[in-house]
Amino acid sequence: DIQMTQSPSSLSASVGDRVTITCRASQSISSYLNWYQQKPGKAPKLLIYAASSLQSGVPSRFSGSGSGTDFTLTISSLQPEDFATYYCQQSYSTLITFGPGTKVDIK
Amino acid sequence: QVQLQESGPGLVKPSGTLSLTCAVSGGSISSSNWWSWVRQPPGKGLEWIGEIYHSGSTNYNPSLKSRVTISVDKSKNQFSLKLSSVTAADTAVYYCARVGTGTTGAMDVWGKGTTVTVSS
Repeated sequence: DIQMTQSPSSLSASVGDRVTITCRASQSISSYLNWYQQKPGKAPKLLIYAASSLQSGVPSRFSGSGSGTDFTLTISSLQPEDFATYYCQQSYSTLITFGPGTKVDIK
Repeated sequence: QVQLQESGPGLVKPSGTLSLTCAVSGGSISSSNWWSWVRQPPGKGLEWIGEIYHSGSTNYNPSLKSRVTISVDKSKNQFSLKLSSVTAADTAVYYCARVGTGTTGAMDVWGKGTTVTVSS
């Protein structure tokens, strides 16, 4: 199995802050890395696919980077609606795995 | 646009079989997409259960493979999940999702989720 880790597990930030979340794979996954946002009681929402491609309709303040084993999700200027949990997911292997999540809450 | 809707019993007895259906609307299940099931236990993260293509080809999470069956019904434009021999550890919100084409395996459309509790 490809194990996914995320750091930090949680963070507190203010509106307008630049936020960076890191995801690491236990082996190289090329660019087969996707990011999701999940709000309480809601289904996950795809933000970024293929490590750096912005899903249609997602604000441009979200960006992704990385390849191989290390990846980053950046929110350039945190907005009130961005307070949520963020998950990375690898789709390199036929056994899909998610990271444990990073909760972003209000400072 | 494509929408997904999960349905099925919200309560299943231990040792029983969990059965859920995901109805696809606004598009065809016979399109060039895989269709997935993902679950989330209360307060925990996301776990991929498995996926199916309209041809019937499937991939399953090895940790659940002995208990899981995913099937497709093209006539009803839906796909289904069966999980046997359930225990309290199978209590979760169950989501169905579409794997987007051209997204290198990302799930771009999700159902709202349905809560399944395993309890006597």
